Amino acid sequence: DGGITQSPKYLFRKEGQNVTLSCEQNLNHDAMYWYRQDPGQGLRLIYYSQIVNDFQKGDIAEGYSVSREKKESFPLTVTSAQKNPTAFYLCASSNRDRGSYTFGSGTRLTVV
Amino acid sequence: DAKTTQPNSMESNEEEPVHLPCNHSTISGTDYIHWYRQLPSQGPEYVIHGLTSNVNNRMASLAIAEDRKSSTLILHRATLRDAAVYYCILRDGQGGSEKLVFGKGTKLTVNP
Repeated sequence: DGGITQSPKYLFRKEGQNVTLSCEQNLNHDAMYWYRQDPGQGLRLIYYSQIVNDFQKGDIAEGYSVSREKKESFPLTVTSAQKNPTAFYLCASSNRDRGSYTFGSGTRLTVV
Repeated sequence: DAKTTQPNSMESNEEEPVHLPCNHSTISGTDYIHWYRQLPSQGPEYVIHGLTSNVNNRMASLAIAEDRKSSTLILHRATLRDAAVYYCILRDGQGGSEKLVFGKGTKLTVNP
């Protein structure tokens, strides 16, 4: 079955360390997205990519970086510059003509 | 900022219909109305979307006002598994804006 796989499900990081969250899709979707969710809040867009080798900043891109070298993959790096990285991170993908987004099951990052 | 307005919370009894409202007074002619729901510690799940006409699928129905400034998601018989946060979102059907903006949504509680 097609879908989006995020790994790992839980991640712990020490302060000052960079960490990379994985997102892979086999839906042949052109666009991919990263969102951050804090407790009791909605989703906020970090970065998005509409085609390979191209991506745009979302509303809260500071302290994060991405790459889109393959259509199937859109990894997110949380850098040490991100002051409050503890959150639930969600990856999504879509095709413009299909309308809906498909989300992964999320990665919960905790800074210890 | 989110372009939709939803009540923070609603409550329903099991096996009764639920009507979840959404206001989107600034909707443009090419905006599709999307609904997603999110269970605790999971990624959002697509529910339904529409442009002008009412829409039905196996999960729910979407009733869109004639002026398109509001819509209602209808769950015909609520079950305990329908307890979730429901998000109403506008998406540009021309693909000009790929930034799906989430508000805080409506938290639906279903009582047994």
